[in-house]
Amino acid sequence: DQQVKQNSPSLSVQEGRISILNCDYTNSMFDYFLWYKKYPAEGPTFLISISSIKDKNEDGRFTVFLNKSAKHLSLHIVPSQPGDSAVYFCAATVPPGAGNNRKLIWGLGTSLAVNP
Amino acid sequence: GAVVSQHPSRVICKSGTSVKIECRSLDFQATTMFWYRQFPKKSLMLMATSNEGSKATYEQGVEKDKFLINHASLTLSTLTVTSAHPEDSSFYICSARPDRGSNQPQHFGDGTRLSIL
Repeated sequence: DQQVKQNSPSLSVQEGRISILNCDYTNSMFDYFLWYKKYPAEGPTFLISISSIKDKNEDGRFTVFLNKSAKHLSLHIVPSQPGDSAVYFCAATVPPGAGNNRKLIWGLGTSLAVNP
Repeated sequence: GAVVSQHPSRVICKSGTSVKIECRSLDFQATTMFWYRQFPKKSLMLMATSNEGSKATYEQGVEKDKFLINHASLTLSTLTVTSAHPEDSSFYICSARPDRGSNQPQHFGDGTRLSIL
């Protein structure tokens, strides 16, 4: 059962335009969401996160929006740059308890290609 | 930013060999480290969580006798794939986090490509 879903396996945008990556989740207990970026043969790099008590978090070109009622979050990248081309993973976590160590529940990723 | 070093980056060895992968947090003390496995075109699959000084917690379906995890210090965790077979070939990635149970992001190593012939 995939608790975190990224329904678009790939996305292609033009340089300078906005990239919107979407993520849906099913577990209402998730209280923290993260986006990671991954290049081939490398480990993921943390990008941005958001707590479930907020609906928006912004860091430079990256903004994450959270719609709790729809169990949906999105990552906006604007303006998109060719160096943003990578696989983007959405991840979520539940509050610590029963030894879960706040492990991350991952989506399957969306491959973003930013064309010059 | 936080740096996690993983070594080796690539291993090619014969079936039946045991392989040890090291994960080090270079600029912070990692109370918790995670070990993941990634298959081609698939997401990261959490294998186990290790807390410094205690036994690792394995995810369902992961053989703890096959994948030995040691987290003896706050900066080093090791994963040993014992008697590796071709089906163990995969991309293994570790991550580290400063505080147990916190919502601080995990920081990842660059992974180890394991190929068993």
